[in-house]
Amino acid sequence: AQSVTQLDSQVPVFEEAPVELRCNYSSSVSVYLFWYVQYPNQGLQLLLKYLSGSTLVKGINGFEAEFNKSQTSFHLRKPSVHISDTAEYFCAVISFQKLVFGTGTRLLVSP
Amino acid sequence: EAGVTQFPSHSVIEKGQTVTLRCDPISGHDNLYWYRRVMGKEIKFLLHFVKESKQDESGMPNNRFLAERTGGTYSTLKVQPAELEDSGVYFCASSRSGGVITETQYFGPGTRLLVL
Repeated sequence: AQSVTQLDSQVPVFEEAPVELRCNYSSSVSVYLFWYVQYPNQGLQLLLKYLSGSTLVKGINGFEAEFNKSQTSFHLRKPSVHISDTAEYFCAVISFQKLVFGTGTRLLVSP
Repeated sequence: EAGVTQFPSHSVIEKGQTVTLRCDPISGHDNLYWYRRVMGKEIKFLLHFVKESKQDESGMPNNRFLAERTGGTYSTLKVQPAELEDSGVYFCASSRSGGVITETQYFGPGTRLLVL
């Protein structure tokens, strides 16, 4: 079965600094990867997804992720974070039409 | 277009009681999913409906959980009787029709269930 690993449970960062949230997936022939975000007291919102094609995927709110097959990674990046980016971020993979999530990474942006 | 809605937003019940969670998917979405996040752990799949049929219920923890989707519209998830370990956030998601496995799943805000 497919799986993803998010090694960082929490990432503190200062406003306007760059950030990278790490995600590694279990190797498979075909893999479809997603990043979701959960803002406080809200549901999960899709940030971006990789299905095929270009390995650099751009999402909403200035986020992007790079699919790296050799390193089985799909790290999420943003060059300059805002206070409003404080949220929990989930990496996920599709397995038999259901999402398999990582344990989540809390991004804490401080002034 | 209205998003996925869930009711109630919070529920606090005692062990042994029954609770029913409701999910209204985005109109026209044939696929409906239930997921659960127990505190401190990952979000886990419970089951998947295609219209009114259960496509995959491999994630249902035990027979105390019963999910229905009468008429292929809204869905309910009943826990009877509730146990302490059922506490967590229950998410519902929906996606459009077809067998496209990469179709985006849109999530509701979740129901926070606390069993005392």
